[in-house]
Amino acid sequence: DQQVKQNSPSLSVQEGRISILNCDYTNSMFDYFLWYKKYPAEGPTFLISISSIKDKNEDGRFTVFLNKSAKHLSLHIVPSQPGDSAVYFCAASGFYGSSNTGKLIFGQGTTLQVKP
Amino acid sequence: EAQVTQNPRYLITVTGKKLTVTCSQNMNHEYMSWYRQDPGLGLRQIYYSMNVEVTDKGDVPEGYKVSRKEKRNFPLILESPSPNQTSLYFCASSFRGPGQGSVSGYTFGSGTRLTVV
Repeated sequence: DQQVKQNSPSLSVQEGRISILNCDYTNSMFDYFLWYKKYPAEGPTFLISISSIKDKNEDGRFTVFLNKSAKHLSLHIVPSQPGDSAVYFCAASGFYGSSNTGKLIFGQGTTLQVKP
Repeated sequence: EAQVTQNPRYLITVTGKKLTVTCSQNMNHEYMSWYRQDPGLGLRQIYYSMNVEVTDKGDVPEGYKVSRKEKRNFPLILESPSPNQTSLYFCASSFRGPGQGSVSGYTFGSGTRLTVV
């Protein structure tokens, strides 16, 4: 059973516009959520994270929003740039002592294409 | 340079021939983990280690073994590889593991593309 889901396999946006990537989760025991970016032939690189006690975290052009009641998080990229074209993964980790301790659970990924 | 190093980058092998993919980190991280990436399935955790001599199964451990005899190394062992283990493998490390408080992110290696024929 997929605990973290990214239902959109791909997204295409114009340079300068906003990119919104979505992620849903099923386990209310997750306490941290992270976004990773992955270019071809490279490992994923950490982008931004958010604790379950917050509903928003911002880092430059990247903002992550967390809606705990809906079990939904989103990554906003504003403005989008061609260099942002990559696969984006959301991931979640559980509270210490939960069944998911030690596990970082990833979604399927969304391929973002930013057109010049 | 702080990094996670995986070797080899590419490997083609035959069914049943034991192989080891090495992973080494130079950041004195306690936590290390192995993932496999498959189309449509994202990254799935194989095994993880919270510290030396402490390892545990992830979501897809069948057919794999690991060991953590020293902090910097976390090899992934396929005793008898099968074609369904053809995948892209990533090793990752972090100072603290999931569930141990603040999570600042994980450093990933560049990946090992394994083909089992």
